[in-house]
Amino acid sequence: NAGVTQTPKFQVLKTGQSMTLQCAQDMNHNSMYWYRQDPGMGLRLIYYSASEGTTDKGEVPNGYNVSRLNKREFSLRLESAAPSQTSVYFCASRETIGDSPLHFGNGTRLTVT
Amino acid sequence: DAKTTQPNSMESNEEEPVHLPCNHSTISGTDYIHWYRQLPSQGPEYVIHGLTSNVNNRMASLAIAEDRKSSTLILHRATLRDAAVYYCILREASNTDKLIFGTGTRLQVFP
Repeated sequence: NAGVTQTPKFQVLKTGQSMTLQCAQDMNHNSMYWYRQDPGMGLRLIYYSASEGTTDKGEVPNGYNVSRLNKREFSLRLESAAPSQTSVYFCASRETIGDSPLHFGNGTRLTVT
Repeated sequence: DAKTTQPNSMESNEEEPVHLPCNHSTISGTDYIHWYRQLPSQGPEYVIHGLTSNVNNRMASLAIAEDRKSSTLILHRATLRDAAVYYCILREASNTDKLIFGTGTRLQVFP
């Protein structure tokens, strides 16, 4: 049982380049989330999706787009990367019914130079 | 919007109990209180969650105030491996699935 899988684990981009972070969960969860964590800081919510076909902004959505491709997958896209987006990105999922706990992926460490 | 308030940091000695407080005075009646922790250089991990009654699991206990406006995560015997940032979170509002983490409490454990 893989849980929440994020790819890639590491990525280095130049300013202005684009990329998509992938996240997939195999627990049939309704809700999925993208957080970022800058060095020494807490987690900040970028976007979340309460169900397939819906997405909502979190605390820091600027510079990002998301796509809930199906129930399993929730991708995060950086159209034009900036050094301020250097961070560790965590994807998480949970079952909404019963206000269940979050399950986290192992994170993607992104550096933008 | 529901928000949580935690102390920035706490200290404990090894093998002593630790009580980590969280205030959530605007919690709605149907929201669970969740606790997560993040060990150094790792992703967050689930610790415990509860609605009204006190909860126990192999990692910790959660004591919830009768009015649900505060809760306390209890580590019965702290170990060096419990040194982490502990986050208390709940949904921003009862009609949303938005989960905001905040800054958490950094727990230091001394031998």
